[in-house]
Amino acid sequence: GENVEQHPSTLSVQEGDSAVIKCTYSDSASNYFPWYKQELGKRPQLIIDIRSNVGEKKDQRIAVTLNKTAKHFSLHITETQPEDSAVYFCAAQGGSSYKLIFGSGTRLLVRP
Amino acid sequence: EADIYQTPRYLVIGTGKKITLECSQTMGHDKMYWYQQDPGMELHLIHYSYGVNSTEKGDLSSESTVSRIRTEHFPLTLESARPSHTSQYLCASTGLSLGGELFFGEGSRLTVL
Repeated sequence: GENVEQHPSTLSVQEGDSAVIKCTYSDSASNYFPWYKQELGKRPQLIIDIRSNVGEKKDQRIAVTLNKTAKHFSLHITETQPEDSAVYFCAAQGGSSYKLIFGSGTRLLVRP
Repeated sequence: EADIYQTPRYLVIGTGKKITLECSQTMGHDKMYWYQQDPGMELHLIHYSYGVNSTEKGDLSSESTVSRIRTEHFPLTLESARPSHTSQYLCASTGLSLGGELFFGEGSRLTVL
């Protein structure tokens, strides 16, 4: 089955700097890659996603890139703000499966 | 308001008790999921359902069972709770076959003494 690995597990950046989180997946049939943000004590919420027919997608300060050949995708946050502090999860889904498999999460801390 | 609801939010019980965690969604979604998550940690898929009368086990071995008799309802049952079951359980649903946003409930935090 699908296996998703996520790095780093923790990331601390200064406010205004960029943050990059990387994920790799094992199932070449996967074709949907979302990113979820989970604030402390809250439920995970979708922040951006990308499908396999696209190499990059951007939404204001957030962007995601996908390299299908290498089977990895990344989340880029520019001009980080304290409210970006949270745990971020990547995930992969595809083939004929409805299963959405998550990475282990990255705890992002943005220092004011 | 369209949403996904979980009850109870918090539950403390003794070892050996049978419990059912309830999950209901009012969005008409076919696909529903149960994830187990220790606070701030990895989300482990334990069960999912394509629709009524369809259930599948996830990747994390679990002693729990689920049922899907109605589209909007996806309860999770532990026949005999143990301390190792202490965790948070998150229910989620989506309306698309593939590539749809997963909407999560607020979770049920279970403590087994």
